[in-house]
This record gives sequence, C-alpha cells and structure tokens, in this order.
Amino acid sequence: GAVVSQHPSWVICKSGTSVKIECRSLDFQATTMFWYRQFPKQSLMLMATSNEGSKATYEQGVEKDKFLINHASLTLSTLTVTSAHPEDSSFYICSAKGELRSNQPQHFGDGTRLSIL
Amino acid sequence: GESVGLHLPTLSVQEGDNSIINCAYSNSASDYFIWYKQESGKGPQFIIDIRSNMDKRQGQRVTVLLNKTVKHLSLQIAATQPGDSAVYFCAENRATNAGGTSYGKLTFGQGTILTVHP
Repeated sequence: GAVVSQHPSWVICKSGTSVKIECRSLDFQATTMFWYRQFPKQSLMLMATSNEGSKATYEQGVEKDKFLINHASLTLSTLTVTSAHPEDSSFYICSAKGELRSNQPQHFGDGTRLSIL
Repeated sequence: GESVGLHLPTLSVQEGDNSIINCAYSNSASDYFIWYKQESGKGPQFIIDIRSNMDKRQGQRVTVLLNKTVKHLSLQIAATQPGDSAVYFCAENRATNAGGTSYGKLTFGQGTILTVHP
C-alpha cells in the first residue's frame, strides 16, 4: 500500500488565492521531505528540501515567498502556493525519506494537480 | 529550469517484445541510480536501483545496466506487457558533498514514453 499520502489530489481555484497541499508519511517518520513540480510531458524538477523543524532549502530559481513549505512534524509537510496565478498550474509531487524498512531512497506521493483559473 | 518545447522520447513496442530505455546522466560524482515508472496522474513508482560499484542488476523482468565510463544507464524490460506502458525516468543521487554529508537529493532525467501495443 501507499506509504506517502498527498492531499488534495486535484484542486481548481481562482487566481489570487492561496492553496495548501499536504504530504503525509504513513507508518514511518520522514526526516526529510522533498517537493517537486512537473509540467506536462516534462520531468520532475526539485523545488525544495525540507527537514523536520528547520527551514526548507529551496532550489535555485524557486521563490521561497511564493512556495511556503512547513515541515512541522516527522509525518507532515505542507506546501502553500501563495497568491496563485495560472502559470503556477502544474502537478506537484512530494516524497519522503526516513527510517523505513526499504532500500528506496524516497517514497513518492501520488501528486496534486493544481489548476488556477 | 523548464525545457520549453522539449518532447519526451518515445518508444513503441509490441506486447512480448523486449524494451530498452536509455538515459544519460551528467554528474560523474553520482553514486546511486534509480529507475522510476510514472503512470498518468500518479507519482513515480520505484522499479530498480543500482549503485556505482556495480554495472548490472537484475530484478523481475527488468535489468539495469550502468556504464560509468560514458555516464549511461539503461533499463531493459523483458516480455513487455501493455501494463508496462508509462513514462520511465532515470534518477541519479548526488554523492556526498565536500563536508561529507549526503543530501539524498534525486535529479531526474528527461523521461521516455513507453507504449506497448497488444
């Protein structure tokens, strides 16, 4: 079964609103969570890395005031897209890394499709 | 950044054929590589991995080959089935930084669209 849950799976909202996406690790503690963005027919681009209890590390070119990341607990990280505009429409995917009986480096959620009208 | 206008490579095969998907990586310091399968509207699904001290690893119906000399990775799928149709990505894991701390960050390749015809 899924070890990382992402919510919501799909959201449509008006331009100018803020949208929060949740990423939860199930049955394990995620020491690190990653947020990716994926445009249609393209690869996953890492946006930021977050460690529980500390500030997220953003990749070059990603606006930290635009994409707020909170990793308040070992099982939950949130990504808030503030004042979203149509160009922010994309597929956002999180992954979690932690102590889990698995050789996989990261476990991915099933993504959130964000559509800004 | 984004690769505007770039189309993913495609591979079309008949059911039962073997498929070979290729990937070139850029960082010679990468020491761990993973292949992922992504179905439409879903997150990446782990297929198989390989460390840089190996040149071949086999799983169930899949084999990964690593050529560090030319920084090339391939995924071979035996007896391809319609359910294998998806986008396949390779990913590389950066080795430790100068301070000896592993970031654990993955860098994804471009991706290949595999279509399997019955």
